[in-house]
Amino acid sequence: AQSVAQPEDQVNVAEGNPLTVKCTYSVSGNPYLFWYVQYPNRGLQFLLKYITGDNLVKGSYGFEAEFNKSQTSFHLKKPSALVSDSALYFCAVRDPLYNTDKLIFGTGTRLQVFP
Amino acid sequence: NAGVTQTPKFQVLKTGQSMTLQCAQDMNHNSMYWYRQDPGMGLRLIYYSASEGTTDKGEVPNGYNVSRLNKREFSLRLESAAPSQTSVYFCASKQGYYNEQFFGPGTRLTVL
Repeated sequence: AQSVAQPEDQVNVAEGNPLTVKCTYSVSGNPYLFWYVQYPNRGLQFLLKYITGDNLVKGSYGFEAEFNKSQTSFHLKKPSALVSDSALYFCAVRDPLYNTDKLIFGTGTRLQVFP
Repeated sequence: NAGVTQTPKFQVLKTGQSMTLQCAQDMNHNSMYWYRQDPGMGLRLIYYSASEGTTDKGEVPNGYNVSRLNKREFSLRLESAAPSQTSVYFCASKQGYYNEQFFGPGTRLTVL
């Protein structure tokens, strides 16, 4: 069965420091992986995706993520955090072997960046 | 382009009442989705529509019905609301096999 886990409910980081938000997945085939961000009282916004190819994916607002097949992980990273990065982050996976058009979302990680 | 729009933004219902949440997209996307978001549970798929005229159940379809009225519009109906349906509801749309979903701003529903 498809699943995705975000092991940290909250991540705290000081402004200017690097940040990592963790995501691990379980699928039968090669996964399609996505990161979304949600600001308060807003819908989800797409950050980046991995479909195939280079394991390091660059996305919006300076974020990047690294696909690691052996560790079944897709951690979100940013070299230097901003206070404005504070938000709720969701990892999502799609298993193409299931031949459906559905994403499975993680439970979300709240990122708090302190000045 | 407005993207994905949802109405209403907020709604309070009493147990047993019915209502329809509306969703429309102006991006000519084939696929549309309804999710609910609850604290600590992330987003869970209620129903989705891969194309006009088709709908399929997601993880949590019980208590809901949907209609894909045309390519633009995908509505979610609660026939007899229950307190367990108190949630924030998001509509999303997508075009293409590899592409990301675009989300609406959400509807915050409270069932008393």
